[in-house]
Amino acid sequence: SYVLTQAPSVSMAPGMTATITCGGNNIGTKSVHWYQQKPGQAPVLVMYFDSDRPSGIPERFSGSNSGNTATLTINRVEAGDEADYYCQVWDSSSDHWVFGGGTKLTVL
Amino acid sequence: EEQLVESGGGLIQRGGSLRLSCAVSGFIVSRNYMSWVRQAPGKGLEWVSIIYSDGKTYYTDSVKGRFTISRDNSKNTVNLQMNSLRAEDTAVYHCARAENTDDPFDVWGQGTLVTVSS
Repeated sequence: SYVLTQAPSVSMAPGMTATITCGGNNIGTKSVHWYQQKPGQAPVLVMYFDSDRPSGIPERFSGSNSGNTATLTINRVEAGDEADYYCQVWDSSSDHWVFGGGTKLTVL
Repeated sequence: EEQLVESGGGLIQRGGSLRLSCAVSGFIVSRNYMSWVRQAPGKGLEWVSIIYSDGKTYYTDSVKGRFTISRDNSKNTVNLQMNSLRAEDTAVYHCARAENTDDPFDVWGQGTLVTVSS
């Protein structure tokens, strides 16, 4: 089955740029979606089809996908960005949906 | 407004059964891909099951043969029948909507907690 790999945690000072990566075999050939989840809340879609932002998501959020790595970039990190971030793809070979293990973003 | 509200969670003994329901408003269940995603305490998101608009169903390997996803078009709900429950099924179960296979889950419910006691 297809596996997505994320670093467990990343810490960033306010105002800096946070980069959250999602590794997968030839992930560049798949559509990657990203979710933000704050404690006790449902996940929220923050990026879809690699680099499209849903309405209401700040322009500080951007995404890219190439080769074996997809990336969610958050510019000028704010305290309100502190959350868990998950990448997700659809694996056409198994008709399974796959989530990465999640990355906890801590804003120092 | 598109909204998903889960119900049916609770405390159940190992080996028991539980039926979760997801009440949908703002869109038609049968025209979308409806999924269940769970999150064990302190863990990440795990996809569980999905029902396509054409009725096809898929499951993660760990629940295949034990869980059954279905929908009630008259009530606009999605259900998850969970049998032979195990301690590792303990999680918050979220209902989520996608519009097609490659699409994101763009609408989520708050979830319902299932606790399996051993």
